[in-house]
Amino acid sequence: NAGVTQTPKFQVLKTGQSMTLQCAQDMNHNSMYWYRQDPGMGLRLIYYSASEGTTDKGEVPNGYNVSRLNKREFSLRLESAAPSQTSVYFCASRQAGGLQQPQHFGDGTRLSIL
Amino acid sequence: DAKTTQPNSMESNEEEPVHLPCNHSTISGTDYIHWYRQLPSQGPEYVIHGLTSNVNNRMASLAIAEDRKSSTLILHRATLRDAAVYYCILRGPFGGAGSYQLTFGKGTKLSVIP
Repeated sequence: NAGVTQTPKFQVLKTGQSMTLQCAQDMNHNSMYWYRQDPGMGLRLIYYSASEGTTDKGEVPNGYNVSRLNKREFSLRLESAAPSQTSVYFCASRQAGGLQQPQHFGDGTRLSIL
Repeated sequence: DAKTTQPNSMESNEEEPVHLPCNHSTISGTDYIHWYRQLPSQGPEYVIHGLTSNVNNRMASLAIAEDRKSSTLILHRATLRDAAVYYCILRGPFGGAGSYQLTFGKGTKLSVIP
């Protein structure tokens, strides 16, 4: 029962470097999400994919791009990392059947940008 | 979006019941009340949700006030593993960009004393 798997778990980057965070779910869920969580704060939505082949901006999309590679995988890319993007990144997925279906989260990627 | 208010922190003794309150005085008639929790160094985890009636599942119970302006998450017997930040979140029934995200506040940090 893997659920939502995120890789890597930890990463340190230098300012200006690029990086792709990977997310895969094995629950056959239609919708997938990327959030970031800054210290002492709640999660904020970066991008989401309501279904395979579609992606949309969330609350804080600047500096990020996403790819919904297939139904299982949803990646988040930082093209030119900045210190303000130091955060914990969470991927989540949700099955179809209405907005009240719960979201299932991975354990996060802890990203530090120097 | 309707807003929720939760205490910053609460303490409970192990094996005793815990009542976590949430105020949502501006809730609309179609908003569902969701609870998630986040254990240390993990992603959020769905706990329970409801609309008007009290709800029970294997993890917890949700008691919703008759006027729906407040709710209480009840853990019947706290264990050390229940130490987490608990988030009360309102979810509307309809689609649209803003409704896809879960809006996390700061939640209530629950400490369980052995």
